[in-house]
Amino acid sequence: AQSVTQLDSQVPVFEEAPVELRCNYSSSVSVYLFWYVQYPNQGLQLLLKYLSGSTLVESINGFEAEFNKSQTSFHLRKPSVHISDTAEYFCAVRDSGTYKYIFGTGTRLKVLA
Amino acid sequence: KAGVTQTPRYLIKTRGQQVTLSCSPISGHRSVSWYQQTPGQGLQFLFEYFSETQRNKGNFPGRFSGRQFSNSRSEMNVSTLELGDSALYLCASSDSLGGADEQYFGPGTRLTVT
Repeated sequence: AQSVTQLDSQVPVFEEAPVELRCNYSSSVSVYLFWYVQYPNQGLQLLLKYLSGSTLVESINGFEAEFNKSQTSFHLRKPSVHISDTAEYFCAVRDSGTYKYIFGTGTRLKVLA
Repeated sequence: KAGVTQTPRYLIKTRGQQVTLSCSPISGHRSVSWYQQTPGQGLQFLFEYFSETQRNKGNFPGRFSGRQFSNSRSEMNVSTLELGDSALYLCASSDSLGGADEQYFGPGTRLTVT
């Protein structure tokens, strides 16, 4: 069965520093990959997704993620974080066979002033 | 378009009671999924409905059930509540079953079981 691993439960980082949130998934023939963000007391919002084509995908607020098939990873990065990026980030995989969305356990990003 | 709405937003119940949560998807969306979110466990998939039929089911006991109506609105029911059922229950809708469509999440219903 498909699984998603987010090894870091919490990541503290100073404002304007770079950050990488790691995501690994178990191998599958074909998957769609997503990063969602959850701000306090809100539901999840899509940050970016990989469907096919270029392995580097970007969001409108400066985040990017790279699909690495050989390492089955989809790490999320931002070169310079802001206080407003403080939130919980979830990596998700949609299995093309079962259609199920599988979510990781989330990484809480805390940006420090 | 209005987003996904969930009612109620907060709920306090006692062990042994049952509860029904409601979700209205984005207009035109026919797929509705339910998740349980708890600290440290992330989002656990409960079930997905599409055109009034349950298409996928997670690994939850039979106390958790759901249904979808012809207008795509969905309800989730939990019977014989246990303390461990305390969680944020999220509903998400999407355009279709399968494929690359993203899910749009509601704000959730926070259930506290005492």
